[in-house]
Amino acid sequence: DTGVSQNPRHKITKRGQNVTFRCDPISEHNRLYWYRQTLGQGPEFLTYFQNEAQLEKSRLLSDRFSAERPKGSFSTLEIQRTEQGDSAMYLCASSSRTGGNIQYFGAGTRLSVL
Amino acid sequence: DAKTTQPNSMESNEEEPVHLPCNHSTISGTDYIHWYRQLPSQGPEYVIHGLTSNVNNRMASLAIAEDRKSSTLILHRATLRDAAVYYCILSLVQNFVFGPGTRLSVLP
Repeated sequence: DTGVSQNPRHKITKRGQNVTFRCDPISEHNRLYWYRQTLGQGPEFLTYFQNEAQLEKSRLLSDRFSAERPKGSFSTLEIQRTEQGDSAMYLCASSSRTGGNIQYFGAGTRLSVL
Repeated sequence: DAKTTQPNSMESNEEEPVHLPCNHSTISGTDYIHWYRQLPSQGPEYVIHGLTSNVNNRMASLAIAEDRKSSTLILHRATLRDAAVYYCILSLVQNFVFGPGTRLSVLP
């Protein structure tokens, strides 16, 4: 499978715990995006990488959230001291430099904070 | 960010064409028009995109108004597998701004 891969698919955690999600983009794509989606809403942009550089961060990305993309390959999204409001689907997408910015999405990681 | 307006929901009968409208009156000259769809428990899936001219691919057609202030996604023969939330998005370069989309129901 050469699509965008996200792990884990589901994560259940207790409030206050830290969680980390991983995204493996399509191998030749230099752009990587993280979105968050709550029930009944469209995805909301969180952050964007071009290669290893984090070029844009949404105001939704509080200090408890951090994303990295070492060496411009896979990316991780960490949430510290989780809160119940963090419960959502976290989606990763990747795109190449050309082609009208077509973003290819992974299946997402569903986070439930108890 | 340029915004889009779509109906909340639409229904179609199986094997009939479906026209999903999108208004984007504040579109800028360099915004691409993208359509994605999302099935339950899956990430959004690319459907089609265009800039000024109408576009066709194996999944759908995209009709863009001459003034670019609206567009229509056309599914030529709806199937049960086309039941999903369809998002119309304007994109310049980077992140997408998703609205709530149109929930398409396909009736057998």
